[in-house]
Parts: sequence; structure tokens; C-alpha cells
Amino acid sequence: DAKTTQPPSMDCAEGRAANLPCNHSTISGNEYVYWYRQIHSQGPQYIIHGLKNNETNEMASLIITEDRKSSTLILPHATLRDTAVYYCIVRPPRAGNNRKLIWGLGTSLAVNP
Amino acid sequence: DAGVIQSPRHEVTEMGQEVTLRCKPISGHNSLFWYRQTMMRGLELLIYFNNNVPIDDSGMPEDRFSAKMPNASFSTLKIQPSEPRDSAVYFCASSSRGGTTDTQYFGPGTRLTVL
Repeated sequence: DAKTTQPPSMDCAEGRAANLPCNHSTISGNEYVYWYRQIHSQGPQYIIHGLKNNETNEMASLIITEDRKSSTLILPHATLRDTAVYYCIVRPPRAGNNRKLIWGLGTSLAVNP
Repeated sequence: DAGVIQSPRHEVTEMGQEVTLRCKPISGHNSLFWYRQTMMRGLELLIYFNNNVPIDDSGMPEDRFSAKMPNASFSTLKIQPSEPRDSAVYFCASSSRGGTTDTQYFGPGTRLTVL
């Protein structure tokens, strides 16, 4: 079962910041938080990941709370092309052959004009 | 880089027929994953390979499903015989073992319809 909880859907106005929350209260100390998104009719796409510190890349920012029990993905200036399902995933660091990601149902983000 | 390549993109077949889905991972990646996605069950991992060796096939629904990876650049997922409940989008993904974490790169998927 997925170790994360996300709201099923969210709306955002085009040009505004989209803040997508994720709860992972049972996360262990060495587990990473990954975010992927899936645009309609496409395969999932990696966005960002983090362990303890906040992270930023060209796509988004990831804010992880100090206790690591929740995180927020921030799309600073949402566009219509950001409409997608966003998945928050918790996974351990690569240990031996364990490469599995457990996917939940994600948050369906609708960016409105 | 061409990314993960899957074929066919769409497949329509009749119940009882054999279906073979194909995947070419990104060159240099040594892990390959097969997923199935439906509205009811979301994205499910079926099987994954490391260095062409199947590591975890616990997600394969039943004996009708089989997967092979004869070399680092090719994998197949076969369903025989197919059933209507196998209708889904099947994704292949690959990743590299470099670094401390790994990112999975997904193909465009194969939409399978079993009549």
C-alpha cells in the first residue's frame, strides 16, 4: 500500500502558484519523497525528489517539513500544461535490488484559465 | 536520447488471443519496469528487472502473464490467453543505478483493449 495521502483533486488559476500537499506520517529516516506527474494519455514524468532539505529545480520546488511527516510540491507559476495527476511517493534509498515505487491515486490538478 | 520506446501504441484483440507488448529502455539504464494502469486500480507494478534478471514479479496477476528481458535493450510482456479484464494501459519504465537515488523514465504506454 502507498505510504502517502494526497487530496484527490485541486484547482489552480493560471499564473498562480499551485501548492500540492502530501502526508507521509510513517516515513522512515532514510526514505526519500518523490514527486511524479502524469499528463493525460502520457506516461508518468519525474518532477523532483528530496530527503530532508527543501529542493528546487526548473520544474518545481519541494518543501519538506522538519519532522518529515508531510511535504508540499510548489509549481510557482502554473500553466494550462501543468494540468495533470501528481503523485507523491515515499521510497527507501536504493538497497540491493529494491527498486520498487508504490503509487497511490495522486492529486488531479486542474489549472484554469 | 529517444527515451523509452514502446510498441505497439494501441492494440485491439479478441479474448483468447496472445498479446505481446514490447519495450526498449533508455540506453545505459539497467533497470526495467512493467506497469499496468486502470481507472479502478491506478498504476500497478507488474514486474521489474535489474541487469536483465527478473527481481520481483509479485505483481504479475496470474500465469497468463509472462515477461522476458533477453538483453539490455529489449523486453517483452506477453499475455496468453488474453481476457477482457486485461484491458488497460501498459507502461514500461527504465532507470539507472548510478548515484544514490534513481528516477524512473516512462514510455508512452500501450493501450490494450481485449474484446
